[in-house]
This record gives sequence, C-alpha cells and structure tokens, in this order.
Amino acid sequence: LAKITQPISMDSYEGQEVNITCSHNNIATNDYITWYQQFPSQGPRFIIQGYKTKVTNEVASLFIPADRKSSTLSLPRVSLSDTAVYYCLVGDLGAGNMLTFGGGTRLMVKP
Amino acid sequence: GAVVSQHPSWVICKSGTSVKIECRSLDFQATTMFWYRQFPKQSLMLMATSNEGSKATYEQGVEKDKFLINHASLTLSTLTVTSAHPEDSSFYICSARSAGAKGGQPQHFGDGTRLSIL
Repeated sequence: LAKITQPISMDSYEGQEVNITCSHNNIATNDYITWYQQFPSQGPRFIIQGYKTKVTNEVASLFIPADRKSSTLSLPRVSLSDTAVYYCLVGDLGAGNMLTFGGGTRLMVKP
Repeated sequence: GAVVSQHPSWVICKSGTSVKIECRSLDFQATTMFWYRQFPKQSLMLMATSNEGSKATYEQGVEKDKFLINHASLTLSTLTVTSAHPEDSSFYICSARSAGAKGGQPQHFGDGTRLSIL
C-alpha cells in the first residue's frame, strides 16, 4: 500500500496561490493520484486526478514529477470558501485495489 | 452527473438500536461501493468494499457482524450498524464507482451520515 504523507495544516490569504504537496514514495505502477476537498459534515468532493506530468481543470492544477513519488495540488487565487480539508488519494480502482487516503491538509484561508 | 445520495444525514438513537444507512447512486450504476468511517478531525478510514451481488470485503479490524452491508442492486448499498453503542458514534460516508469504469476513474462520495448513539 502506498504510504501517504501530507502537511497537517496550511494557512493562506485570499487571492494567493496555494500549493499542497503529497508524498507517496511507494506508489504502484497502476496507481492514480486523486485529490478531494472536504467541508465539515460533508462527503469529500472530487477536485482533480492525474497519473503523471501536469493536469489542469477549471479549479486546480496537479503537478506530478517523473518519479511519481509526490504530487502537488495547486489552487490559484484562493478565496475564503476554499477553507477546507484536502485529501490526497492514491490507488487504482480499476484493478480493485484498496485506495489509501492521506491524513488530509487543513487549509485555512484568511481575509 | 455522478451523484451519490446518503440517507439519513443524521441519526440520534439510544444504545442497543440497530441503524440502517442507505447509499444510492442516482444517475449511474455502481458495481462497487465503499463505506468509510470518519472521526472528528481525522481522515477517512475504509471499513468495507461492497460489490453488487456478492459479499462485502471488510478491512482488518472491522466486525462484519457488527456492520452489515448489503449491495442488492447496482444503485443501492446499505450499511446496518447492529446494536449500536456510543463508541459507534461517528460520521459514516459511502462512495461509489461507476460500472465499467476503467482504472483511474474517481469514486464519488455521498454527503455522509452522522450517527450519534446516546
């Protein structure tokens, strides 16, 4: 199983770019990297997913280096509503493998 | 698309009661659903994997007789917490994966059920 490590918490200010890095040293060849956002008393919401290099969608970018042992979620110009817990998830559901959640990073965006 | 609905969203009941939580995929068929438990300020812990038409696979340390899972159709899985006690109080979250999804397709989560046992 991939061992996931994320920073426990991060602080930022409105309008800034936030980068959250996840370490997954023993990621398997078929594993994908997925990031979720969770607000209190709600289920996680999908943000972005990637396998290698860079992926960008309307809300975030995901940078994955060639060795795939880490990944960085980039949130451009955060707002107060981005205050949440962000989880890095590594695994391959296609193979029926168990997915592993990181401990989550609690992001606090300040005005 | 890809909406997962959980019901109820919050349950408060007396110790010894059995509680059933439903997880439905509203606009897609889910061959596989997952049940998680989350304690305050902690990450999600996978309890079991539920496959349509077969027995669930439980993670180590999860009592299968305590947490009964039924996945009778491609859109519904249920988790029953039998004879619940205060230590079972937690936030239970389900997720579902589309039937026929290839590797890497993300799972979609419900909004969770807060279970409070008095």
